[in-house]
Amino acid sequence: AQTVTQSQPEMSVQEAETVTLSCTYDTSESNYYLFWYKQPPSRQMILVIRQEAYKQQNATENRFSVNFQKAAKSFSLKISDSQLGDTAMYFCAFRPYRNNNDMRFGAGTRLTVKP
Amino acid sequence: GAGVSQSPRYKVTKRGQDVALRCDPISGHVSLYWYRQALGQGPEFLTYFNYEAQQDKSGLPNDRFSAERPEGSISTLTIQRTEQRDSAMYRCASSLDHSGANVLTFGAGSRLTVL
Repeated sequence: AQTVTQSQPEMSVQEAETVTLSCTYDTSESNYYLFWYKQPPSRQMILVIRQEAYKQQNATENRFSVNFQKAAKSFSLKISDSQLGDTAMYFCAFRPYRNNNDMRFGAGTRLTVKP
Repeated sequence: GAGVSQSPRYKVTKRGQDVALRCDPISGHVSLYWYRQALGQGPEFLTYFNYEAQQDKSGLPNDRFSAERPEGSISTLTIQRTEQRDSAMYRCASSLDHSGANVLTFGAGSRLTVL
């Protein structure tokens, strides 16, 4: 079974600074997808970034980038130039390539961006 | 529609009552998923459909929970004889098809409170 662990329940960062959210996972699968979702106070679930495990290059999406370490089963999210609107819960998620319904989420990290 | 629509947004019911939660996926999306999210936790998989066929219901906690998608579009999650432990946010998501490469787009959720 796959598990996803987010070891930081809460984090804070000053506006305009950089913050990194940690995520580790456990799987025996060789091919899979990793995701970061954002849940703002409105409680929407918004996809932030996606990484395909067979791609070595780290995904980037504007101010958001990941550090994907496949051997270490680590998938951290870096937010650069933090903005007040980045305040949200962030969930790391894992999905095997072979079975797209089996999407597992971590418990989340609550990020607060301070002015 | 443009996004995944869920109704009602909020539902308060008394213990023992039945509730029905509705999901209208993005037009043309083949796959539809139901998740449950307890406060302070990540979403947990309940069940999913491809077209009208329920492919996996292994996440449904017990036989009081059921789901249908009779015409391959709108889906209803029904909880019979509700209990207080059923209180949670119920999220629906859809994707273009069941390929693992396709991301899930989530609705805003239905928050259920059982008194």
